[in-house]
Amino acid sequence: EAGVAQSPRYKIIEKRQSVAFWCNPISGHATLYWYQQILGQGPKLLIQFQNNGVVDDSQLPKDRFSAERLKGVDSTLKIQPAKLEDSAVYLCASSPDRGGNEKLFFGSGTQLSVL
Amino acid sequence: AQTVTQSQPEMSVQEAETVTLSCTYDTSENNYYLFWYKQPPSRQMILVIRQEAYKQQNATENRFSVNFQKAAKSFSLKISDSQLGDTAMYFCAFMTYNNNDMRFGAGTRLTVKP
Repeated sequence: EAGVAQSPRYKIIEKRQSVAFWCNPISGHATLYWYQQILGQGPKLLIQFQNNGVVDDSQLPKDRFSAERLKGVDSTLKIQPAKLEDSAVYLCASSPDRGGNEKLFFGSGTQLSVL
Repeated sequence: AQTVTQSQPEMSVQEAETVTLSCTYDTSENNYYLFWYKQPPSRQMILVIRQEAYKQQNATENRFSVNFQKAAKSFSLKISDSQLGDTAMYFCAFMTYNNNDMRFGAGTRLTVKP
């Protein structure tokens, strides 16, 4: 079974530029998550999708971050414009269902450096 | 709000020995899950072990076991017969039954020495 795929693996941009990350979850997984992991910290949930609908985006900085999951499969996370404090690893995860028995499968993340 | 605390930023252990990683959490919920994830340099988070709060019996997975103390809100991970491949960051995580926002601790960097 293929795992959660993410690209790119690394990205370096200057502040105020835009950047997008892509995630392809495990086939058949209804729930998709984007996490932000700042160096020295644990991952923090940014947004959660159930199929193509948003379940929780309460911690997403909506003035600069946006995410979509068209057709309920792949997802993209965009930052526009980027700030220095956005430097982090962005992890995507998926799970088969939502509610009570979660097992999250993570991708290898995209490491973003904002200069 | 739920919080997860890992008080050991770094730990080391000799190969083949046993090490215990600590985790405490704070919640007013009664039904929840606790997890330990391993994150090697590849950055992929790998589930090590999971505990359901309603179960009194501590979860075990081969060389990995937990000591779950619900009243004390403590969830430690014991790694027996440590192997070089166990070197990684270890994160303790918490999730309630109805809210799928998985909360992570800050992590413990474990180094297994030959």
